[in-house]
Amino acid sequence: DAGITQSPRHKVTETGTPVTLRCHQTENHRYMYWYRQDPGHGLRLIHYSYGVKDTDKGEVSDGYSVSRSKTEDFLLTLESATSSQTSVYFCAISESAREVTDTQYFGPGTRLTVL
Amino acid sequence: GQNIDQPTEMTATEGAIVQINCTYQTSGFNGLFWYQQHAGEAPTFLSYNVLDGLEEKGRFSSFLSRSKGYSYLLLKELQMKDSASYLCAVIDSNYQLIWGAGTKLIIKP
Repeated sequence: DAGITQSPRHKVTETGTPVTLRCHQTENHRYMYWYRQDPGHGLRLIHYSYGVKDTDKGEVSDGYSVSRSKTEDFLLTLESATSSQTSVYFCAISESAREVTDTQYFGPGTRLTVL
Repeated sequence: GQNIDQPTEMTATEGAIVQINCTYQTSGFNGLFWYQQHAGEAPTFLSYNVLDGLEEKGRFSSFLSRSKGYSYLLLKELQMKDSASYLCAVIDSNYQLIWGAGTKLIIKP
């Protein structure tokens, strides 16, 4: 299994509070991704990174920001959490995005509840 | 818009064969993935198709027809541990992965 960890694994917070989720990899992969997964929806890309300090928006980036100061760490921040951001958040990594046979490997997920 | 369609839920019997279909309409096509996701766990890679035809990997096979925008995942000799959701995802022309909502497969003894 690819070495990907996420922290925390579970979090309950209140509306309006800031929340930061961490993804850590030991594979030295260039690409890292943050997804959210909600019932009835496919995985939806929030942000992704293609290198240190290189990030870009995904499909559902509003209300989220990211940072990547080291190859191994990719942080997702909810500046002011809302109930609509209650979800399961997955981090994924891949060696490349343009080598089409490259596979994304997923972390164990973080279950976030915003009350 | 981009769209991937999969049945929401399927039921099959232990030891049998089941086919999970996926149809897609995307801006460009650079390949199709199937992932397995057990409840409460992360998705794990099953297969990748970029050319038409059947790719076999043990009990699992995946088929692709690019002209029809269609793929299926075939699971043989079903086991109880195959109870999971199966996710179809397509790489579009921008090399972004577009995900289907997944098919929940229930295996009965």
